[in-house]
Amino acid sequence: AAGVIQSPRHLIKEKRETATLKCYPISRHDTVYWYQQGPGQDPQFLISFYEKMQSDKGSIPDRFSAQQFSDYHSELNMSSLELGDSALYFCASSPGQPGLASYEQYFGPGTRLTVT
Amino acid sequence: AQSVSQHNHHVILSEAASLELGCNYSYGGTVNLFWYVQYPGQHLQLLLKYFSGDPLVKGIKGFEAEFIKSKFSFNLRKPSVQWSDTAEYFCAVNGRYSSASKIIFGSGTRLSIRP
Repeated sequence: AAGVIQSPRHLIKEKRETATLKCYPISRHDTVYWYQQGPGQDPQFLISFYEKMQSDKGSIPDRFSAQQFSDYHSELNMSSLELGDSALYFCASSPGQPGLASYEQYFGPGTRLTVT
Repeated sequence: AQSVSQHNHHVILSEAASLELGCNYSYGGTVNLFWYVQYPGQHLQLLLKYFSGDPLVKGIKGFEAEFIKSKFSFNLRKPSVQWSDTAEYFCAVNGRYSSASKIIFGSGTRLSIRP
């Protein structure tokens, strides 16, 4: 079965530009999570969606926004990029509503964003 | 506060040595526990998970972990490491019945294996 797909895999942007990262969850997974992993750091939760509604929000800057679409794919939009936004952005998906059961999160390969 | 603490930032072992990586967590409520591995330049892969039942869980590649509820610990073990185990290892937790199931990661332990 196909895993979580993220595109692009690598992205280079300049400061103050915008970027859009895409995540395609595993088939029949309706919950999507976004995490940010800075260089040498642990992944930090940004935001999650269940059935196209935001279900939780972490340390996501106001410059970032995200949404989940009717086909359950999700996009993370990042504006006014800063050097500190350079990181690996992971998407994860799981089936079912968060909190109702022990659903494992399956991680995608990540998008490596470099801001110059 | 919800947090995961990994005691060792960098562990260096020789091949065939035994491994134990420490992990303690702080979380209000019932938890799910995970160990993830990240090979150089690659994405996170699940090594093993504990949801309920037997507190000794076995994962892929010969790894196992033991959940000790009284100690809030979930240490990772492997009896004999291989050079290919060189990677970053993350302990992680989320709430089993929380309305928000975001995963909280520890800071990671870098494992280097000498051939």
